[in-house]
Amino acid sequence: ILNVEQSPQSLHVQEGDSTNFTCSFPSSNFYALHWYRWETAKSPEALFVMTLNGDEKKKGRISATLNTKEGYSYLYIKGSQPEDSATYLCAFNQAGTALIFGKGTTLSVSS
Amino acid sequence: SQTIHQWPATLVQPVGSPLSLECTVEGTSNPNLYWYRQAAGRGLQLLFYSVGIGQISSEVPQNLSASRPQDRQFILSSKKLLLSDSGFYLCAGKGSDNEKLFFGSGTQLSVL
Repeated sequence: ILNVEQSPQSLHVQEGDSTNFTCSFPSSNFYALHWYRWETAKSPEALFVMTLNGDEKKKGRISATLNTKEGYSYLYIKGSQPEDSATYLCAFNQAGTALIFGKGTTLSVSS
Repeated sequence: SQTIHQWPATLVQPVGSPLSLECTVEGTSNPNLYWYRQAAGRGLQLLFYSVGIGQISSEVPQNLSASRPQDRQFILSSKKLLLSDSGFYLCAGKGSDNEKLFFGSGTQLSVL
């Protein structure tokens, strides 16, 4: 059974702090790694889709890196703002299979 | 843009009653469609996915079933609900030209 692990489970930071989360996944038969942001009372929203080892993606203050050989991805948030408060989901799939999600990291940013 | 309409938003059902949750897709044709469930304290668990009309793959054996009678319609059903079926159900899709998933607004199901 394929498993995606995310850490930490939850995180509380002050406004302006930078933070990062980890996603671990099986390194064999890798196809793609996704990051989603899920705000309370909303639908999950795609942040990044990464497919190549060494990929780095950036969207505003949020960026992500990918290491397919060792099976991990990092999500970074620079200068956290209260509106960044959400659960961040990582998902992985092998070729021809559906996405498998981790349990997420819940971020709370205090002003 | 790609949109998923999912209803109802909340549902309270007695144990043993039937279930039918429906989602419809706009803005793309021949999408891959998915049903996920988030139980309390757990991550998103893939229940079913479909790559086309009448094509359903089940990831977890249980008393739920799925059907895809039309290209843009995906239905989750049960003949008799169990307490353990309670959770938050999300319908998701993936268009042919975009590998990102887009989600419906979800259904919070409480089985009492």
